[in-house]
Formats: sequence, C-alpha cells, structure tokens
Amino acid sequence: DTGVSQDPRHKITKRGQNVTFRCDPISEHNRLYWYRQTLGQGPEFLTYFQNEAQLEKSRLLSDRFSAERPKGSFSTLEIQRTEQGDSAMYLCASSADTGPRIEAFFGQGTRLTVV
Amino acid sequence: QKEVEQDPGPLSVPEGAIVSLNCTYSNSAFQYFMWYRQYSRKGPELLMYTYSSGNKEDGRFTAQVDKSSKYISLFIRDSQPSDSATYLCAMSGGTGGFKTIFGAGTRLFVKA
Repeated sequence: DTGVSQDPRHKITKRGQNVTFRCDPISEHNRLYWYRQTLGQGPEFLTYFQNEAQLEKSRLLSDRFSAERPKGSFSTLEIQRTEQGDSAMYLCASSADTGPRIEAFFGQGTRLTVV
Repeated sequence: QKEVEQDPGPLSVPEGAIVSLNCTYSNSAFQYFMWYRQYSRKGPELLMYTYSSGNKEDGRFTAQVDKSSKYISLFIRDSQPSDSATYLCAMSGGTGGFKTIFGAGTRLFVKA
C-alpha cells in the first residue's frame, strides 16, 4: 500500500480560475477528510466523508468550494473562481472504519498558489 | 481565544536532551488527543493518540493528558537530529462533531 495519494503536488493558477484536486485514500479506508493548511498554522478542517456520504462541512468552506466522493473511493476537491486567499496546502487524510475516528494517515498535500 | 493553544517556538535543544511540548485547550468535551509530526513541505504523520486522560508511551515518546487542567504534553527522550520537525497537537470528539482541531505547531530543532 502506497499510503494516501494526492494529485497534483503543486498547482499554480491565476485568480478567477477553477482548480480541482484529487485524493486517493488507503484502500478500504471508509473515512476521508480534507484539510487546509497555511504557513505557520495547523491544518483547518474542511470536510469529512464516510464512504460516499459527506457528513460534515466546515463553515469556512464557502460556496466556491465543493468536494465529492462519488463511489466511496477517491475524492475530489474543487475550488471555483480562485482568490489569492485560497493559496495554501490542501491535505487529505483517511482512516479505517474500525477503531477511533481520528485522521490516521495524511497525504503529502497539494500546494496551491493563486497569482 | 483559540480552542487549542500551542507555543510556535522555535525550540532548540542539543542532541540527547529531553524535549517537552505542550498544548492547552478550552473545550472540555474533547475525547481524543493526538500528536503529529510534520517535516517541511510534507503531510502530518500521526505519532500517537490518547483517549481521555492518562499517559501513553511509545518508544522514546510519551504523551500525557490532564483533562482537569485542559493540558496535554508530549515528551521526547534522547532527542535526535532526525526529530527536528514541527509537532502538532490535535483534539477531537465530544460535541465537536467529526472535525479535529489542530494547534499551530511547535518547531523543534535538535542540534547534533
């Protein structure tokens, strides 16, 4: 198992463009989380999936953000009409359905720069 | 006031020293207390977690939770240069829903 995989690793986009990130969790992990991390800060929760169901979404997530996990496997995070304030590291994590509901395994993240 | 407070450091120690990292929190409903290590430009790596109060030891690492004081600690014994990283405390459970609240992280440098 190669762990949680995120693609792309880096993305530079112009303000106003749409971007989409992909997360492949560890196989058979039912729980999937998205976080955002800015320099010098800890990760901030964005959203949580249990299989294909999006069970919680942060109020930080504006209408420009949307996440999906259509078949309960990989997930995508889309940001529409990007703003400079969206520049951050976007992290995905997964964990198994058994055991405590904590973010056990993080991916390496997608670093977004909006210019 | 933030839900989780963590001194950002940096903390610089000589190799072999005992390192103490700490966090305070305000939400008494938290049930899971985690410590993550994060190297530069990498994702966080879960070091250990504790459920409710008490101590937990794993090799050179010891985690302590004092719910009465809303204070958690991570001790690193015989610190190594490879321990140089940012350490993030995190908490979840209780009435907080599914999300985990992270501290801002403490940068640790272990000098050879």
